[in-house]
Amino acid sequence: SQQGEEDPQALSIQEGENATMNCSYKTSINNLQWYRQNSGRGLVHLILIRSNEREKHSGRLRVTLDTSKKSSSLLITASRAADTASYFCATDAGANSKLTFGKGITLSVRP
Amino acid sequence: EPEVTQTPSHQVTQMGQEVILRCVPISNHLYFYWYRQILGQKVEFLVSFYNNEISEKSEIFDDQFSVERPDGSNFTLKIRSTKLEDSAMYFCASRRQGSVYTGELFFGEGSRLTVL
Repeated sequence: SQQGEEDPQALSIQEGENATMNCSYKTSINNLQWYRQNSGRGLVHLILIRSNEREKHSGRLRVTLDTSKKSSSLLITASRAADTASYFCATDAGANSKLTFGKGITLSVRP
Repeated sequence: EPEVTQTPSHQVTQMGQEVILRCVPISNHLYFYWYRQILGQKVEFLVSFYNNEISEKSEIFDDQFSVERPDGSNFTLKIRSTKLEDSAMYFCASRRQGSVYTGELFFGEGSRLTVL
């Protein structure tokens, strides 16, 4: 089954606006993580939220997790052109397990 | 800051040829992974490796694929006889520990494989 399905698939906003990206998943998780990928580069970890947490902040990032709805959202506040990238959610089912990535969201921030 | 390094950054090969992609994970990490990403598509899990053996593999990771940790630092992915559909970016990743609450993966910059 597909884990970590993000929406929208693509998002274009103006610099300074907030960007909200959503992720849904199907099975139980221990934590959910968000990663960023600049074009042609590796994935960089942004933030991790554990299954017993509901909200977490890191700088301009805010992530929420609703385990009853099996969904998460990533909010980037006051976006910058440098935030232009693909963003992936990834679910972690537990010890010694793999991360399962979604298809990603392409965020374009217009200067 | 420690990082995962991958070589080569780009390899072009003929269909049917063997390819070895190399990775040096972060030195105190215990779990190692290979993922691949076909251009513009999702990041797909291939295999995880822990304690010198495969701990999990996907359907993609068939008999043509193998992994090895030949020494204390390198972690390699071998594709025995490449197919056109193996063309993708291959990412190595490592993680420090596994527990009930596991942590982030650290990814390398990837090796782009082009099969002609």
